[in-house]
Amino acid sequence: NAGVTQTPKFQVLKTGQSMTLQCAQDMNHEYMSWYRQDPGMGLRLIHYSVGAGITDQGEVPNGYNVSRSTTEDFPLRLLSAAPSQTSVYFCASSYNRDYLNNEQFFGPGTRLTVL
Amino acid sequence: DAKTTQPNSMESNEEEPVHLPCNHSTISGTDYIHWYRQLPSQGPEYVIHGLTSNVNNRMASLAIAEDRKSSTLILHRATLRDAAVYYCILITSGTYKYIFGTGTRLKVLA
Repeated sequence: NAGVTQTPKFQVLKTGQSMTLQCAQDMNHEYMSWYRQDPGMGLRLIHYSVGAGITDQGEVPNGYNVSRSTTEDFPLRLLSAAPSQTSVYFCASSYNRDYLNNEQFFGPGTRLTVL
Repeated sequence: DAKTTQPNSMESNEEEPVHLPCNHSTISGTDYIHWYRQLPSQGPEYVIHGLTSNVNNRMASLAIAEDRKSSTLILHRATLRDAAVYYCILITSGTYKYIFGTGTRLKVLA
């Protein structure tokens, strides 16, 4: 089991550029989510998905799009990057069924800098 | 979404027990209490969770107040590797939202 994998590990963008952060898990988890973590802060939920074809917004969804076409993958798209999106991005997954009683598994993160 | 309040930072000596408090006065009857920790430059990792009763696992113990308005994460013997930010999170049935606060930064002194 590779667990939750994220690519790339580091990325530098210019303002206005677009990119997709990749997240994949091989644990057959229905629930997947994206967080951002700014320096010295806790994690903030961007978007989440409870299964293929189903996504919903978290606390800070503006500027980000997601889709969930397969159980394994949950990409995060930045359509027009802004310096305020400079952050570390974490992807996580867990079993959906009885999710209250299950742990989330986090990826290693992607460090994004927008100039 | 129910909120949690934690001290910004705490210190402990190595090999001593650590009690990390969390207040959640607006908790509802179906909210689960989860604890995660984040080591430097890593993603968060699960520590423990509970609903009403105290819980033990190989990493820690979770003591939940009788009225459920507070809980305490107990590390029985702190090691240098336990230095991390510890997050107390309430998970509400039907919302699927994990709302992290700013957590408690634990410093372990050798």
